[in-house]
Amino acid sequence: GQNIDQPTEMTATEGAIVQINCTYQTSGFNGLFWYQQHAGEAPTFLSYNVLDGLEEKGRFSSFLSRSKGYSYLLLKELQMKDSASYLCAVRDSNYQLIWGAGTKLIIKP
Amino acid sequence: NAGVTQTPKFQVLKTGQSMTLQCAQDMNHEYMSWYRQDPGMGLRLIHYSVGAGITDQGEVPNGYNVSRSTTEDFPLRLLSAAPSQTSVYFCASSKSGDGANVLTFGAGSRLTVL
Repeated sequence: GQNIDQPTEMTATEGAIVQINCTYQTSGFNGLFWYQQHAGEAPTFLSYNVLDGLEEKGRFSSFLSRSKGYSYLLLKELQMKDSASYLCAVRDSNYQLIWGAGTKLIIKP
Repeated sequence: NAGVTQTPKFQVLKTGQSMTLQCAQDMNHEYMSWYRQDPGMGLRLIHYSVGAGITDQGEVPNGYNVSRSTTEDFPLRLLSAAPSQTSVYFCASSKSGDGANVLTFGAGSRLTVL
């Protein structure tokens, strides 16, 4: 079966750096997405990786290793507004998105 | 530019009732989809459409119907509501369903079935 694994919950301190991991086992691979979802709101797009390596976008970076079936989202200079769930999703060989259950990130002052 | 508009935002139904969740987008996106989100689980695809007149089943289609008569609208019909359909429903659209195309989500519809 297809599977996306992410930690359920993480806690970090304002101003610090946090890394949220995502491992996947899917039938084929056509890209990996990270979305942010604040409580009670819709998911919004953060990043997309299709080739191995690091994609940087301001305070957020996303890394992909296709051979390891692994990605991480790196958040720097954490702010209170970064408290949210972070969803990892992989597009499989049928171009369907397979979603992880999300990682709830709690930022403490 | 409103993006993806979903209505209603909240709904309470009794078992056996039917209802339609409305979804409209004004971005001329070809791809539209319906997801449900339940605690502790990833988003699960119910139905999707790659263009007007074309629909297909996702991972959890049972108990739901869709139609796509126009590019803009993609309503989701619950035929006979069951408590297992209590969930948050999201409509999402993108330019197409492949590659780097990013989904734009509606605000969600919270459905409770008693």
